[in-house]
Amino acid sequence: ETGVTQSPTHLIKTRGQQVTLRCSSQSGHNTVSWYQQALGQGPQFIFQYYREEENGRGNFPPRFSGLQFPNYSSELNVNALELDDSALYLCASSLSPGDSTDTQYFGPGTRLTVL
Amino acid sequence: ILNVEQSPQSLHVQEGDSTNFTCSFPSSNFYALHWYRWETAKSPEALFVMTLNGDEKKKGRISATLNTKEGYSYLYIKGSQPEDSATYLCAPTSGDTGKLIFGQGTTLQVKP
Repeated sequence: ETGVTQSPTHLIKTRGQQVTLRCSSQSGHNTVSWYQQALGQGPQFIFQYYREEENGRGNFPPRFSGLQFPNYSSELNVNALELDDSALYLCASSLSPGDSTDTQYFGPGTRLTVL
Repeated sequence: ILNVEQSPQSLHVQEGDSTNFTCSFPSSNFYALHWYRWETAKSPEALFVMTLNGDEKKKGRISATLNTKEGYSYLYIKGSQPEDSATYLCAPTSGDTGKLIFGQGTTLQVKP
């Protein structure tokens, strides 16, 4: 096991609602990245947080936002949910924010279904 | 935008067979390539991080090679076992950052 946990495991929302997904990083890891895996695709980078600040963002609209807390936990918030937001959301913790060789340790994901 | 391709998309082999998959990526601006193994209902598990052209890494029966000049990496599994059944993902990084660009993965099924 990676030591990274996510909650909830599954979630069902309706279009237009807001959702908060949670992640608990490995102790000592001050960097967390979030990824979205849509059906049939590889995970896509949403954004990364380092020391509670956003540190890089992928091609996702501003209604995807995040928070990172000093206790190694973090949140992914999605406003105004759309049907295409249905996906598996993964968080990954690591030590260094800008190190291409640093291993990212993934949680098991949260499956979000938007109806 | 990096275009990462993995082939084949899926593979069914018998226990004891050896197998290999390919990960192709743009060779320009290469920094590192990560391989992950992802079993159903579990977390993706890091296998290798590779950076140097000609690099070869090994973990038990699984090994990987890297060619940064032509932009590909091979993952080999020797003597496949049913517990090797998983999706194998490769991900080069976007420049010298922590952003992983994943391929679609190769799903391996090993039949007893």
